[in-house]
Amino acid sequence: AQSVAQPEDQVNVAEGNPLTVKCTYSVSGNPYLFWYVQYPNRGLQFLLKYITGDNLVKGSYGFEAEFNKSQTSFHLKKPSALVSDSALYFCAVRPDQTGANNLFFGTGTRLTVIP
Amino acid sequence: EPEVTQTPSHQVTQMGQEVILRCVPISNHLYFYWYRQILGQKVEFLVSFYNNEISEKSEIFDDQFSVERPDGSNFTLKIRSTKLEDSAMYFCASMTTGIVSEQFFGPGTRLTVL
Repeated sequence: AQSVAQPEDQVNVAEGNPLTVKCTYSVSGNPYLFWYVQYPNRGLQFLLKYITGDNLVKGSYGFEAEFNKSQTSFHLKKPSALVSDSALYFCAVRPDQTGANNLFFGTGTRLTVIP
Repeated sequence: EPEVTQTPSHQVTQMGQEVILRCVPISNHLYFYWYRQILGQKVEFLVSFYNNEISEKSEIFDDQFSVERPDGSNFTLKIRSTKLEDSAMYFCASMTTGIVSEQFFGPGTRLTVL
């Protein structure tokens, strides 16, 4: 069975400090991994994805994520947080199976960047 | 930048009534999806649609639910007889092609069943 875990409901970080939002996954076969962000009253916005290749992927707004196969993790990172990064972040996985292209989401992590 | 749109933003209905949630996917996309998010819970997959037919559906998507692409632009989700537990945020998403593409989500419709 496919699943995604985001162990932290809430992450607080001071503006200018590095941030990490954690994600671990369980999937049959090779995973395709995604991060989405949700601002208030908005839909889910795509940030970045890992399909294959370099374990460090870069995405929108200065975010990056590192795929770690041995730890089955895909943590989201940013070197210097902005107040405008405050939002709800979702990790998602799509299994590498023919015909299976729906996403399995984590429960979300609320990031608050403190000025 | 093209985006997925959804109407209405908020729908209030009485238990047992039918509701239709509407979505306009991005115009050159080929795969369409509905997800829902019950308040405080994770986003859950409902159904995917490709080539004018359902390609996958979850166990949530029972006989009370149906989807349709009535013309070249709209994608609808119908709930025939709403239950209290159908109250949730419903998200539409679309994708170009291929398993490596990302899905683009609309802003959601908040459905409240009284």
